[in-house]
Amino acid sequence: AQSVTQPDIHITVSEGASLELRCNYSYGATPYLFWYVQSPGQGLQLLLKYFSGDTLVQGIKGFEAEFKRSQSSFNLRKPSVHWSDAAEYFCAVAPKVSTDSWGKLQFGAGTQVVVTP
Amino acid sequence: KAGVTQTPRYLIKTRGQQVTLSCSPISGHRSVSWYQQTPGQGLQFLFEYFSETQRNKGNFPGRFSGRQFSNSRSEMNVSTLELGDSALYLCASSLTGMPGNTIYFGEGSWLTVV
Repeated sequence: AQSVTQPDIHITVSEGASLELRCNYSYGATPYLFWYVQSPGQGLQLLLKYFSGDTLVQGIKGFEAEFKRSQSSFNLRKPSVHWSDAAEYFCAVAPKVSTDSWGKLQFGAGTQVVVTP
Repeated sequence: KAGVTQTPRYLIKTRGQQVTLSCSPISGHRSVSWYQQTPGQGLQFLFEYFSETQRNKGNFPGRFSGRQFSNSRSEMNVSTLELGDSALYLCASSLTGMPGNTIYFGEGSWLTVV
């Protein structure tokens, strides 16, 4: 079955430290890949997306993600975390060819990031 | 350019009532999708509309319905509300809804059913 997995439900990181959030997918072919962030009480904001080409993708707020086909992964990274990065992060995928893909993303369960001083 | 706008932001309803939520997509976007977010089930796709037609539907009961108007604005309706319908309802828009279109989300409508 098609699935998106974020293995870490909760991550605590010190301000200034690096952050890596994991995302694995299980699809027949490489889907379109996205990372979204949700601050408390807010909607989802797109951080970055991968469609094809360069496997290292730069996004907003200093985030980047690396696509690894061999590992079916699309991990999100930030070299130095700020207190304002505390939020929930969602990996999402859209299959490239599917009869039920119109306007639809499949989301992982999310990773809650806590930033300590 | 204005983002996806949802109204109302917060509402409280009683079990058995119905509710209508509204969404205005980004200007020029013709595809509107709706999602339900709960702590237990996460983010789940409800349905998608394009050119006033429902093109895609998730696994929700018929109490959940929607529509889209000629200006691409959309509404979703939940009838006979149940306690379990308490959730954040997110509207999203994209240019055409095709796989690969970037999907932009609104801030959501918080529904509490008591």
